[in-house]
Amino acid sequence: EVQLLESGGGLVQRGGSLRLSCVVSGFTFRHYAMTWVRQAPGKGLEWVSAISGGGGSTYYANSVKGRFIISRDNSKDTLYLQMNSLRAEDTALYYCAKDGKYSDPTIPPDYWGQGTLVTVSS
Amino acid sequence: QSALTQPASVSGSPGQSITISCTGANSDVGAYNLVSWYQQYPGKAPKLIIFEGSQRPSGVSDRFSGSKSGNTASLTISGLQAEDEADYHCCSYAGSSTYVFGTGTKVTVL
Repeated sequence: EVQLLESGGGLVQRGGSLRLSCVVSGFTFRHYAMTWVRQAPGKGLEWVSAISGGGGSTYYANSVKGRFIISRDNSKDTLYLQMNSLRAEDTALYYCAKDGKYSDPTIPPDYWGQGTLVTVSS
Repeated sequence: QSALTQPASVSGSPGQSITISCTGANSDVGAYNLVSWYQQYPGKAPKLIIFEGSQRPSGVSDRFSGSKSGNTASLTISGLQAEDEADYHCCSYAGSSTYVFGTGTKVTVL
């Protein structure tokens, strides 16, 4: 059974930093690209960032480019999202998701975690 | 990276069919047959119901079907049931290893 468990969310002041983690099980982690998606309260889903299976290629939405860093540790089956210079508009539930089929981001996610809430106070 | 356009809400009576549209551009929906659809209940994580435009994962009801025409993808729910009341989101591959999501649609069963 595929499982993804996020952690690291919380309340942080504007301009602060936070590091999210996502531990996975039930599939061969290094074989798949991984994605972070966020959902602001009462809003739709927004793609945030993706990383290739080997970790050598990373991709970002314009809204977080230069502030967020995605990474992974394949020896620990863990995905990370380092969030810096946080803004009020970054307040959202952050989901970790496994991409479908390939080690490069191509097929949108097929499995999702339950999310971790990030609240940025001004 | 503009969001795909979905109707804010769609409603139907039990047993009816409804269709949710997802309109993008030549650079995303129109360029690839890589649209996924997700069902999301309040307070829950999204669940994949359609991938690669029209494929259903194992265990997903065949009442859900997907299609595409030009820059618009569509999700049809046939034989609408009370349990189908949820939010539905589309997502397309947008090239250069990026994705774009739709604005989301709330389905109400009357």
